[in-house]
Amino acid sequence: EVQLVESGGGLVKPGGSLRLSCVASGFTFSSQTMNWVRQAPGKGLEWVSSISSSSSHIYYGGSVKGRFTTSRDNAKNSLYLHMNSLRVEDTGVYYCARDGPPVPTALGTFDYWGQGTLVTVSS
Amino acid sequence: EIVLTQSPGTLSLSPGERATLSCRASQSVSSSYLAWYQQKPGQAPRLLIYGTSSRATGIPDRFSGSGSGTDFTLTISRLEPEDFAVYYCQQYGSSLTFGGGTKVEIK
Repeated sequence: EVQLVESGGGLVKPGGSLRLSCVASGFTFSSQTMNWVRQAPGKGLEWVSSISSSSSHIYYGGSVKGRFTTSRDNAKNSLYLHMNSLRVEDTGVYYCARDGPPVPTALGTFDYWGQGTLVTVSS
Repeated sequence: EIVLTQSPGTLSLSPGERATLSCRASQSVSSSYLAWYQQKPGQAPRLLIYGTSSRATGIPDRFSGSGSGTDFTLTISRLEPEDFAVYYCQQYGSSLTFGGGTKVEIK
């Protein structure tokens, strides 16, 4: 059974930093592109970042580029999101998601999701 | 950036009725790289449809997707009680963006 478990969320002040983690099980983590998607309270979904299986390609959404860094450790089946210079508008639930059916594009769909971890940016 | 506009914002229907959800793109979506997700309160989204019309694993055949270019549709042929939820479209042909969602509620 595929499982994705996020952790590391919490309350942080504007300008602060936080590191989220996602531990995967039930599939060959090292073969899959992984992703972060977030959702502000009561709002829709926003793609944050994607990282290829070998970390050779990493992509970011425009609102987080230059502030967030995605990495992974295939030996630990783990995905990370390092968030710096946090803003109030970064508040939300952050989901770790596995890439869906293979596509020829750089980015794709998301077929398995974790339950999310809540990040609150407030003074 | 491709902007996806979903309509209506809310759809009020009864179980057994047909639901038709629209997703319109600000520019053509390459090779129909359009997906649909379902999200229930307090839960993570679930992939329903990818590549405009392919059902994801385990998705019942009452869910179908169609469209091309800038206009896409998710149809639920007969609503079951568990289908009342929020639905999002997503394009992945040019970077990646989501629509704002359509809530399907019980009338």
